[in-house]
Amino acid sequence: EAGVVQSPRYKIIEKKQPVAFWCNPISGHNTLYWYLQNLGQGPELLIRYENEEAVDDSQLPKDRFSAERLKGVDSTLKIQPAELGDSAVYLCASSRGGFEQFFGPGTRLTVL
Amino acid sequence: GQQLNQSPQSMFIQEGEDVSMNCTSSSIFNTWLWYKQDPGEGPVLLIALYKAGELTSNGRLTAQFGITRKDSFLNISASIPSDVGIYFCAGPGRPNFGNEKLTFGTGTRLTIIP
Repeated sequence: EAGVVQSPRYKIIEKKQPVAFWCNPISGHNTLYWYLQNLGQGPELLIRYENEEAVDDSQLPKDRFSAERLKGVDSTLKIQPAELGDSAVYLCASSRGGFEQFFGPGTRLTVL
Repeated sequence: GQQLNQSPQSMFIQEGEDVSMNCTSSSIFNTWLWYKQDPGEGPVLLIALYKAGELTSNGRLTAQFGITRKDSFLNISASIPSDVGIYFCAGPGRPNFGNEKLTFGTGTRLTIIP
């Protein structure tokens, strides 16, 4: 069974530029999560999808962050415009429901 | 909000030693998860615990759900080089009525000294 796929693995951009991350969850996993992980810390939830519906986006900074999961499978997380403080690892995870979540390798974003 | 504190923050051990780490919460947890994260990779689920007092093993790893429901423990026996990484505990915290939001601990960084 293929794991969670994320791309790109690394992204370097200048501040104020837009950036997008893509995630393909494990086949059959209806629940998809985007997490932010700062250096030396555990992941923090940004948004959770049940199929195509965002059921928890309370931690998503909506002034600059947006996400979509149009067909209930792949998902895209966007930042526009990026700020220096957005430099972090962005993790995607999926599950069948329940608490056992499976993570992708992450996208490491550096904002210069 | 809920906080998970992991101890120790870092460990330096020699290959072959046993390892013990723990995670404590300010509130009751109904589920405990233990993840390991290698550099440049996402966290990998090691063990899931669902019942107070539960003891579950995965190879050389053993985790326990504390009976107070506010703590959990992870032990690694006979450590090997591939055990190096950061170990995170996680859980959904107080009864969450179907919300699978996980709170992650602060992590324990394991290093093996040659």
